Amino acid sequence: EAGVTQSPTHLIKTRGQQATLRCSPISGHTSVYWYQQALGLGLQFLLWYDEGEERNRGNFPPRFSGRQFPNYSSELNVNALELEDSALYLCASNFKGSETQYFGPGTRLLVL
Amino acid sequence: GIQVEQSPPDLILQEGANSTLRCNFSDSVNNLQWFHQNPWGQLINLFYIPSGTKQNGRLSATTVATERYSLLYISSSQTTDSGVYFCAGHDYNAGNNRKLIWGLGTSLAVNP
Repeated sequence: EAGVTQSPTHLIKTRGQQATLRCSPISGHTSVYWYQQALGLGLQFLLWYDEGEERNRGNFPPRFSGRQFPNYSSELNVNALELEDSALYLCASNFKGSETQYFGPGTRLLVL
Repeated sequence: GIQVEQSPPDLILQEGANSTLRCNFSDSVNNLQWFHQNPWGQLINLFYIPSGTKQNGRLSATTVATERYSLLYISSSQTTDSGVYFCAGHDYNAGNNRKLIWGLGTSLAVNP
C-alpha cells in the first residue's frame, strides 16, 4: 500500500512569488492535514481538509490557502512568499475520526 | 501557558543505552501521541496513548492522564533510533477538529 506522497520534494522561490505544494493521501483516507515545520521550531498546524471541505485552520495569514480535490488529494498554496516561509511542509492523512495521522516525506521550501 | 512541553531538548546516548523522554501536557490537551522524525524529515507515528502503557519492541510509552504527563522509553538504543521524538495531543477545547498541538521535540543522537 502506497503511503502519503508529496511533491515536489524541494522548492526554491524568491520573495513575493507563489508556491504550490501537493499531497496525495493514502488510498481510502478522506482527511488531509498540512503542517509547517520551520527550522528550530515544532510543527505548526496549518490546515485540515476532509471530504473536500476546509474543517479548520491554524494561526496563519490568509496568504496560506489550499484545497482538497474530489480524489482527496490536496494542494497548499502560499502567496506573496516571505523569507520566513522557508520550512519543511508536511502533509498527513487519515480516515475521518481516526486518531492516527500518517505523514508524507515533506516538501522543503526555500525562499530567497 | 505551554500546552505540550518535552524534556530533555537534546540527548546523546551510546549504542545499547536506555533512555526516558518526558512529555508534560496541559488540561486542554488530550489523546497523547508520540512520533519519531528521522534525520531526513520523515515522521512516523509511534504510539497513540491517551492513557496506560503500550509496548512495541524496544519502545514503550506510558501516559498518566490524571497527572498530565507521558513517558517514552527506549531500551537498548540503536543508531537508527537517532532523530527527533515529538509528542502531540489534540486540542480538547477545539472539539472534534483534530488539530494536533505539538511539543518542540527531543533531539536524540545515538553514537556507535
